[in-house]
Amino acid sequence: KNEVEQSPQNLTAQEGEFITINCSYSVGISALHWLQQHPGGGIVSLFMLSSGKKKHGRLIATINIQEKHSSLHITASHPRDSAVYICAVAPSGTYKYIFGTGTRLKVLA
Amino acid sequence: EPEVTQTPSHQVTQMGQEVILRCVPISNHLYFYWYRQILGQKVEFLVSFYNNEISEKSEIFDDQFSVERPDGSNFTLKIRSTKLEDSAMYFCASILFGAGEQFFGPGTRLTVL
Repeated sequence: KNEVEQSPQNLTAQEGEFITINCSYSVGISALHWLQQHPGGGIVSLFMLSSGKKKHGRLIATINIQEKHSSLHITASHPRDSAVYICAVAPSGTYKYIFGTGTRLKVLA
Repeated sequence: EPEVTQTPSHQVTQMGQEVILRCVPISNHLYFYWYRQILGQKVEFLVSFYNNEISEKSEIFDDQFSVERPDGSNFTLKIRSTKLEDSAMYFCASILFGAGEQFFGPGTRLTVL
């Protein structure tokens, strides 16, 4: 069983739609990261969460530590949001990260 | 804006050869990481490094791998005798403190023939 599960694996949306990507994990964590990987392969950090909710522009990330679940929301999606979104967790007491398999998002104009 | 840099961007090598992948983390960061991503697969943790020593390593990081911070700025990953299955994108990342935001380098694509 994967320690970090993301859903959906693939998502196609129309421009302007509200998008939700989910991440569930099975271990206690000290932090959870949402990352964006562009088609060229580069990885950009979007959020680092240990509790609650963060917002940056059209992106919102939430985490529920008790339920071991996090969501990434994109409001008013745009074709430039097309990328792979990756959830990664830092298990408590370790210096490693466990990555989800990613959600491939395509936003159509 | 400070950034993590990696060289080379693409390395092609013959099986059995040694390769060194180089990273320059953000200058005041304290924690350094190497990850790999085999084509079409998820990113995998290799090793974390803090205070000039390995903090944690994965099962992938066997005796063929080593890391070094030789001069206080570069952070290198050495693969002693490359195998075909080492072909992947290798990412370096740095963090200012333990559970902070990760800054990733652009990656080195390693192709082993």
